[in-house]
Amino acid sequence: KAGVTQTPRYLIKTRGQQVTLSCSPISGHRSVSWYQQTPGQGLQFLFEYFSETQRNKGNFPGRFSGRQFSNSRSEMNVSTLELGDSALYLCASSRPEQGAYYGYTFGSGTRLTVV
Amino acid sequence: GNSVTQMEGPVTLSEEAFLTINCTYTATGYPSLFWYVQYPGEGLQLLLKATKADDKGSNKGFEATYRKETTSFHLEKGSVQVSDSAVYFCALSDGGGSQGNLIFGKGTKLSVKP
Repeated sequence: KAGVTQTPRYLIKTRGQQVTLSCSPISGHRSVSWYQQTPGQGLQFLFEYFSETQRNKGNFPGRFSGRQFSNSRSEMNVSTLELGDSALYLCASSRPEQGAYYGYTFGSGTRLTVV
Repeated sequence: GNSVTQMEGPVTLSEEAFLTINCTYTATGYPSLFWYVQYPGEGLQLLLKATKADDKGSNKGFEATYRKETTSFHLEKGSVQVSDSAVYFCALSDGGGSQGNLIFGKGTKLSVKP
């Protein structure tokens, strides 16, 4: 079966711009989470969506936002990009009642570079 | 708050050597524990998991036992291969219930030489 699909794989943006990343979860997975991975801070939780509602949020500024559609696909948006937003952004999906117990399936990520 | 500490890398081993990557955690309640692996240029893959104390997770020759008394979840493999070269992350589920997000350790880079 198809895995978690993230698009695009690579992105280069300029400071001050905004960016939208997309994630399509595994069929049947209705929970989608986003993580930021950087060499300095490691893997940090951004937010989780279920049934089009954000039900958990990490400690990131309001420039980071997301949404989920009725087909469970999710997007995250970063506005007013800063150099420090350069990172690998990972999306993970699970059946909503199982992720915390049995683990999440991750996509290959979107590599965002801010110049 | 909850946290995960894993041994600093990089770890360099010869093929067929024994591997241990230490992981300890701090948590309230009874989180599930995970090991994820990241190959170069890829996302994370779930390697193994344990959902309660004394559970042993295993996959592809890797093993880890959920030790509540020592708050540890060390990853072991008896004989590593070159193809095991990757970064390994220990993680726990935060928040409890079905809504827990994952808290990760910093990762340990493993290089296996032929």
